[in-house]
Amino acid sequence: DAGVTQSPTHLIKTRGQQVTLRCSPKSGHDTVSWYQQALGQGPQFIFQYYEEEERQRGNFPDRFSGHQFPNYSSELNVNALLLGDSALYLCASSGEWTSGRYETQYFGPGTRLLVL
Amino acid sequence: QKEVEQDPGPLSVPEGAIVSLNCTYSNSAFQYFMWYRQYSRKGPELLMYTYSSGNKEDGRFTAQVDKSSKYISLFIRDSQPSDSATYLCAMSVNRDDKIIFGKGTRLHILP
Repeated sequence: DAGVTQSPTHLIKTRGQQVTLRCSPKSGHDTVSWYQQALGQGPQFIFQYYEEEERQRGNFPDRFSGHQFPNYSSELNVNALLLGDSALYLCASSGEWTSGRYETQYFGPGTRLLVL
Repeated sequence: QKEVEQDPGPLSVPEGAIVSLNCTYSNSAFQYFMWYRQYSRKGPELLMYTYSSGNKEDGRFTAQVDKSSKYISLFIRDSQPSDSATYLCAMSVNRDDKIIFGKGTRLHILP
């Protein structure tokens, strides 16, 4: 059973560019959350998608946007990249099984973004 | 005051010792409490997940939650060098809510 997968693993961009990161949730999960983790810090919540809608949003500017597809996979888009956007971007999935058992957020390996 | 406070360490202990990791928090609405382990340049791995106050044990790991003191702990018994990692405490108000993390404690188990 595959866990949460993310692509690409590493990415280098220059200031002002745009980037798209991708996430496939764990099998059976329908909710995807995105986090940004700066070096030496805990992950910070960006937003959460459920039923293809943004359900919650953290304190991030509109340059950060996302999308969820009918198969529950998700994309994170960041426009007008800044040096400060360099971080590990983590995707987490969660969901409730038909049995009623709930699984909390499991994280993928992350995409390491470097903005030069 | 940050919502979740966690001593970043590093914490170094000899192999076989009992490790105690702690976090305090300020938001009394938190009901779900988690501990994640993160190895260098990897994603966080869920270790323990508890609801409300009390203790939960899983193998060498024990999680404790004291909501009256807004204090959570993770104990690791018979620590191994492979336990060397960063441990993140995390919590949320509702089970499908955004998760608020501590900064993480770097743990080194010395052979």
